[in-house]
Amino acid sequence: DSGVTQTPKHLITATGQRVTLRCSPRSGDLSVYWYQQSLDQGLQFLIQYYNGEERAKGNILERFSAQQFPDLHSELNLSSLELGDSALYFCASRGVGGTGELFFGEGSRLTVL
Amino acid sequence: SQQGEEDPQALSIQEGENATMNCSYKTSINNLQWYRQNSGRGLVHLILIRSNEREKHSGRLRVTLDTSKKSSSLLITASRAADTASYFCATDAGGSYIPTFGRGTSLIVHP
Repeated sequence: DSGVTQTPKHLITATGQRVTLRCSPRSGDLSVYWYQQSLDQGLQFLIQYYNGEERAKGNILERFSAQQFPDLHSELNLSSLELGDSALYFCASRGVGGTGELFFGEGSRLTVL
Repeated sequence: SQQGEEDPQALSIQEGENATMNCSYKTSINNLQWYRQNSGRGLVHLILIRSNEREKHSGRLRVTLDTSKKSSSLLITASRAADTASYFCATDAGGSYIPTFGRGTSLIVHP
């Protein structure tokens, strides 16, 4: 158990819809990273938050947004969903030093029909 | 885009054999990490090697880093069926400290 909690584990929705994925980092970790894993693109970095502030952005579509709340949990919002958004979405947290290992949640599997 | 790329894409061996996976990357790094992923599960950290280190061991794992060749290798000795998983390298480059992952090596260990 990594200590990182992601909900929901599975989500099936239709094109055009909007979903919210939630992540609770390990106790004491201030950094949250979101990654998307699909068969054709591998594991792609989306966005990072540190103590409530956006720190870095990767290959995140404009239809996607995220935030980190004062209690340090984070949410990834995906809107106007397309078939190609079907993927595993991972959240990971990192210790205070910010340079060590990532602790991954079990992921949220999104299927867009 | 991928910073690190693992090779081979897939590896099939018998229990007891050693498994070697390689990772090549493009730019200078701060550190390199190896992760393991069982099918459909979250990634689990195996080992981190810093840019000023050349070799690291952890149990049956041995990682080497050659910064002149921009490459790393992960050796799993005396493999077990339970080692069956995908293995990813991730590099932290520059000042951003954003781990960038390769596409992974799929390892199958036959009992």
